[in-house]
Amino acid sequence: EVQLVESGGGLVQPGRSMKLSCAASGFTFNNYDMAWVCQAPKKGLEWVATISYDGSSTYYRDSVKGRFTISRDNAKSTLYLQMDSLRSEDTATYYCARHDGGYRESLDYWGQGVMVTVSS
Amino acid sequence: DIVLTQSPALAVSLGQRATISCKTNQNVDYYGNSYMHWYQQKPGQQPKLLIYLASNLASGIPARFSGRGSGTDFTLTIDPVEADDTATYYCQQSRNLPWTFGGGTKLELK
Repeated sequence: EVQLVESGGGLVQPGRSMKLSCAASGFTFNNYDMAWVCQAPKKGLEWVATISYDGSSTYYRDSVKGRFTISRDNAKSTLYLQMDSLRSEDTATYYCARHDGGYRESLDYWGQGVMVTVSS
Repeated sequence: DIVLTQSPALAVSLGQRATISCKTNQNVDYYGNSYMHWYQQKPGQQPKLLIYLASNLASGIPARFSGRGSGTDFTLTIDPVEADDTATYYCQQSRNLPWTFGGGTKLELK
């Protein structure tokens, strides 16, 4: 059974950093591109970033470029999102999701999400 | 960025057909595929993939769900609607980065 379990969320002050993790199991992690998608409270879904199966390629939405870094450790089957210079508008639930193959494919499995609140 | 437009809400009766539309401001077809996907999200839960590449049913999804369309116009159909289908439905394109989602259509029962 495919499982994606996020951790590392919580309350953080504006301008500070936070690192999210996503532990994957039930599939061959290093065969799949992975993504982070966020959802602000009572709002819709917003793609944040994608990383290729081997970590060699990364893609970001403009609003997080230079502040967020997506990475992965295939030996640990874990996906990460390092979030620096956090802003109040980054407040959201962050989902880890698996691309069904390459980065252009659909997101076929999602974690339960982790809440990040940016506030003083 | 490619903009996806969905109606905010739709109300249907149990057992009837629900048709949810998604229109894009750019063509999302690419090398013979339409890079449009549909997700269902219930309150307090993560999204679930329903349809990929416009018309392909995801694993484990009942055949009551179907998708069609190409270019800039896409629809998700649920027929017949069951009580458990009350949720918000999102379309998403993966033709051009950044991947973008529609605003979501909340399906309610009459």
